Amino acid sequence: AQTVTQSQPEMSVQEAETVTLSCTYDTSESNYYLFWYKQPPSRQMILVIRQEAYKQQNATENRFSVNFQKAAKSFSLKISDSQLGDTAMYFCAFGKGSGGGADGLTFGKGTHLIIQP
Amino acid sequence: KAGVTQTPRYLIKTRGQQVTLSCSPISGHRSVSWYQQTPGQGLQFLFEYFSETQRNKGNFPGRFSGRQFSNSRSEMNVSTLELGDSALYLCASTLTAGANVLTFGAGSRLTVL
Repeated sequence: AQTVTQSQPEMSVQEAETVTLSCTYDTSESNYYLFWYKQPPSRQMILVIRQEAYKQQNATENRFSVNFQKAAKSFSLKISDSQLGDTAMYFCAFGKGSGGGADGLTFGKGTHLIIQP
Repeated sequence: KAGVTQTPRYLIKTRGQQVTLSCSPISGHRSVSWYQQTPGQGLQFLFEYFSETQRNKGNFPGRFSGRQFSNSRSEMNVSTLELGDSALYLCASTLTAGANVLTFGAGSRLTVL
């Protein structure tokens, strides 16, 4: 079974600062995906970024980037130039490789990120 | 195109009752999965449906069931409700079975009194 650990229950930063959210995972799978989802107060889970484990290059989506350290089983999310709209719960998630998604994603407990004006 | 639609958004039930939640996936998406979100347990996988067949189920009792219709819409049912079933139930859809890129709905908030 997979486990996903987010060690920061809550973080608070000033607008325009850079913030890094931590995530570690444990798995015996060799083919898998890692995700960061955002859940604002509206409750809708929104995919922020996805990383394929077989890719060495870290994924980037605009202001969001990841630091994927496969050997250390670490998958952190960096948000640059943070904005008030980034305030949300952020969940790190693990998914098995192709066809394995039927087992569902395994989520961490989440980090509540607050962007202060 | 329309996103994943879940109904109802909020509902209140009493212990012992049953409840049915509905999920309409994104047009063209054929796989629907369900998750339960609680403050204590976090997000937990309930089950996934594809082509009207349940492909897998998480670690939940038999009181939790679901089904999928030919138009890919899905329903989940919880019978004999317990206080601990109070949760946000999230539905997600994806193009094919077992795929990982999920699009979530806004959820159905169930309160059991």
